[in-house]
Amino acid sequence: DGGITQSPKYLFRKEGQNVTLSCEQNLNHDAMYWYRQDPGQGLRLIYYSQIVNDFQKGDIAEGYSVSREKKESFPLTVTSAQKNPTAFYLCASKNPSSDTQYFGPGTRLTVL
Amino acid sequence: GENVEQHPSTLSVQEGDSAVIKCTYSDSASNYFPWYKQELGKRPQLIIDIRSNVGEKKDQRIAVTLNKTAKHFSLHITETQPEDSAVYFCAAVDNYGQNFVFGPGTRLSVLP
Repeated sequence: DGGITQSPKYLFRKEGQNVTLSCEQNLNHDAMYWYRQDPGQGLRLIYYSQIVNDFQKGDIAEGYSVSREKKESFPLTVTSAQKNPTAFYLCASKNPSSDTQYFGPGTRLTVL
Repeated sequence: GENVEQHPSTLSVQEGDSAVIKCTYSDSASNYFPWYKQELGKRPQLIIDIRSNVGEKKDQRIAVTLNKTAKHFSLHITETQPEDSAVYFCAAVDNYGQNFVFGPGTRLSVLP
């Protein structure tokens, strides 16, 4: 999982602003995922992408958008439509040989 | 779709004792079962996994057992140490590696 990076580590957003979280991987994995984790809670799937230029909504996609223009990159935009965006956001990519997901270090988003 | 349940939600053990966490799944098509450990504020990290053609797998102090008939799998940690304190997530993955469903997590506390 050292091949997956997320930036920034901490992000502060004012209400009404859109912000974009970066996720990059150099593992040559096709599939990538975004999860949201609230304090003391599990992982909830926001969006996932199995291949470049294609992505699908997960369980809690409302208020979020993604793009997948390059294999290495899967940025997540938290829009102003997301009313309670304060959370820990985790990006992951999947090894096609083992089906194992590997996680980035996460971005902690706080709304001021 | 797949549903993964995990018990208990919290578990406290004395240092040196064993800990067991159990997960059940609903989709018989699931054939890959990874376990992740997440320390506070960190990313989930894979600690052990098992495939459906194997009943048990061991790696030093941790082991995973799988009962396909009953659709449950368990994580066993022996000789627990304070550094084992974390949240543990199980997951079930289908044949194609596309349906990756996490359990809600178990918070393990190892008391010195």
